[in-house]
Amino acid sequence: AQTVTQSQPEMSVQEAETVTLSCTYDTSESNYYLFWYKQPPSRQMILVIRQEAYKQQNATENRFSVNFQKAAKSFSLKISDSQLGDTAMYFCAFSGGSNYKLTFGKGTLLTVNP
Amino acid sequence: EAGVVQSPRYKIIEKKQPVAFWCNPISGHNTLYWYRQNLGQGPELLIRYENEEAVDDSQLPKDRFSAERLKGVDSTLKIQPAELGDSAVYLCASSLTGETHNEQFFGPGTRLTVL
Repeated sequence: AQTVTQSQPEMSVQEAETVTLSCTYDTSESNYYLFWYKQPPSRQMILVIRQEAYKQQNATENRFSVNFQKAAKSFSLKISDSQLGDTAMYFCAFSGGSNYKLTFGKGTLLTVNP
Repeated sequence: EAGVVQSPRYKIIEKKQPVAFWCNPISGHNTLYWYRQNLGQGPELLIRYENEEAVDDSQLPKDRFSAERLKGVDSTLKIQPAELGDSAVYLCASSLTGETHNEQFFGPGTRLTVL
């Protein structure tokens, strides 16, 4: 079974600064995908960024980038130039092998302060 | 393009009452998921549909939960009877096809409170 661990229940950052959210996972699958989802206070969850395990290059989406360390089973999210609208719960998620469900971590509540 | 639609957004019921949630996925999405999100936790899959077929319902508590997706489009999740521990947010998601690791698009959820 896959597990996803987010060890930071809450984090805060000042506007315009950079913050990194941590995620580790455990799996025996060789083919898998990792995701970061954002859930603002309104609750609609949206995808921030996706990483395919077989790709060595770290994924980036504008201000969002990941540090994917496959051997360490680590998948952290870096948010640059933080904005007030980045305030949300961030969930790390795993999908792998022939099981196409998402396995989520418990989330990290990020607050961006003005 | 409309996103995943869920109704109602909020529901308050007393224990032992039945309750139903409705979901309409994004047009053209063959795969539909129901997740339950307990307070302070990440979502957990209850059931996954490929068109009208439930292909993964291993986490669905079948003694009180049921789901259907009769025409392979919209879906209903039912709880009968509800228990206090069922209080949670019920999220519906959809994707183009489930046999890949495509992005899943989530609805706003239904927040259920069981008194």
